[in-house]
Amino acid sequence: DVKVTQSSRYLVKRTGEKVFLECVQDMDHENMFWYRQDPGLGLRLIYFSYDVKMKEKGDIPEGYSVSREKKERFSLILESASTNQTSMYLCASSLPGQGFYGQYFGPGTRLTVT
Amino acid sequence: ELKVEQNPLFLSMQEGKNYTIYCNYSTTSDRLYWYRQDPGKSLESLFVLLSNGAVKQEGRLMASLDTKARLSTLHITAAVHDLSATYFCAVANYGGSQGNLIFGKGTKLSVKP
Repeated sequence: DVKVTQSSRYLVKRTGEKVFLECVQDMDHENMFWYRQDPGLGLRLIYFSYDVKMKEKGDIPEGYSVSREKKERFSLILESASTNQTSMYLCASSLPGQGFYGQYFGPGTRLTVT
Repeated sequence: ELKVEQNPLFLSMQEGKNYTIYCNYSTTSDRLYWYRQDPGKSLESLFVLLSNGAVKQEGRLMASLDTKARLSTLHITAAVHDLSATYFCAVANYGGSQGNLIFGKGTKLSVKP
């Protein structure tokens, strides 16, 4: 069974803290994605990676960075968390070109920055 | 730039009724996906539509794709409460090295008895 897991379901951090969100997939997918989801704004792509050590900016990369040292793991880093980064963060993975079945999503991390 | 528009964004239906959710997109693409999201949960894949005229059905949901009109529809037949969720369409965007998906804002469906 296909699986994308995220390190935390809920996270509360303080303004200015460095925050790491981890995503692991067990499907040997090349592509991995980080989105944030906010009410009324849908899903917005932050960063994606199509290979180890490769990354591309999505629509809203400001304030975020990513790391992909191993194929199965894609980390999202908030260098200095701010309250406007309070959101639901979703990780996804797919085969190249989105694959036949598209992207598989993890359960999400609801991050609150106080 | 590829844009994806869904409508309606909110839909309140009575059980037993039929309705259609529309997904329009702005530039050529050959793949369209429908996802479902239950409150507090992640996205679950419903349908993959890969060619013009493609139609997929699962239970009371039927999705279709018209690539010439750049339009996909998700038709709900005889709605039941269990279908209450948010439905997203997403279109494959091949800009960039590998492309990604562009999502609509979602349609929040509420089915009332």
